[in-house]
Amino acid sequence: DAGVIQSPRHEVTEMGQEVTLRCKPISGHNSLFWYRQTMMRGLELLIYFNNNVPIDDSGMPEDRFSAKMPNASFSTLKIQPSEPRDSAVYFCASSLLQGNTGELFFGEGSRLTVL
Amino acid sequence: GENVEQHPSTLSVQEGDSAVIKCTYSDSASNYFPWYKQELGKRPQLIIDIRSNVGEKKDQRIAVTLNKTAKHFSLHITETQPEDSAVYFCAAKVGYKLSFGAGTTVTVRA
Repeated sequence: DAGVIQSPRHEVTEMGQEVTLRCKPISGHNSLFWYRQTMMRGLELLIYFNNNVPIDDSGMPEDRFSAKMPNASFSTLKIQPSEPRDSAVYFCASSLLQGNTGELFFGEGSRLTVL
Repeated sequence: GENVEQHPSTLSVQEGDSAVIKCTYSDSASNYFPWYKQELGKRPQLIIDIRSNVGEKKDQRIAVTLNKTAKHFSLHITETQPEDSAVYFCAAKVGYKLSFGAGTTVTVRA
């Protein structure tokens, strides 16, 4: 398996622009997570999907952030409009959760810079 | 929610020496404790994990210990090598949610 695949790997955009980050989880995994990593706040959970359904979006910073998972093999994280403070590395991760256990596999991350 | 604290934030060791990283957690319902290694510009990758019904686990040069009563767990790396230089994250899991510590930057001096 190729692992969790994210795109783009790097994105530089200007404040106010829309940003869409994409993720393909590992085939067969039933859980998908979006994390944000910054020096100040470390790894923060933004949203969790189970079987394509959003279960916990309490980590989404504000209404400018939205995430979708239209099918088991694809998810997007959208920021509209983007702001400089959104600059971070965004990781998608997937897992086969069975009884609340299961290793979390991370993608390579999308490094976002908002100017 | 779960709060995971990790110490130290940076650790410099001589090649061949041991490195120890300590974490505490707040939620007694946490039942799974993985450790991730993240090299510069790379993704976090699982290096070892321990479940709440186990007190210690070892994998070659890496070992983890868990003290449920005190709510703390530790990572031990023996005979450190230059390739051990990275950021290490501890984490604690309650249900589906994995909460991470702030990370420890380990530098192994040749």
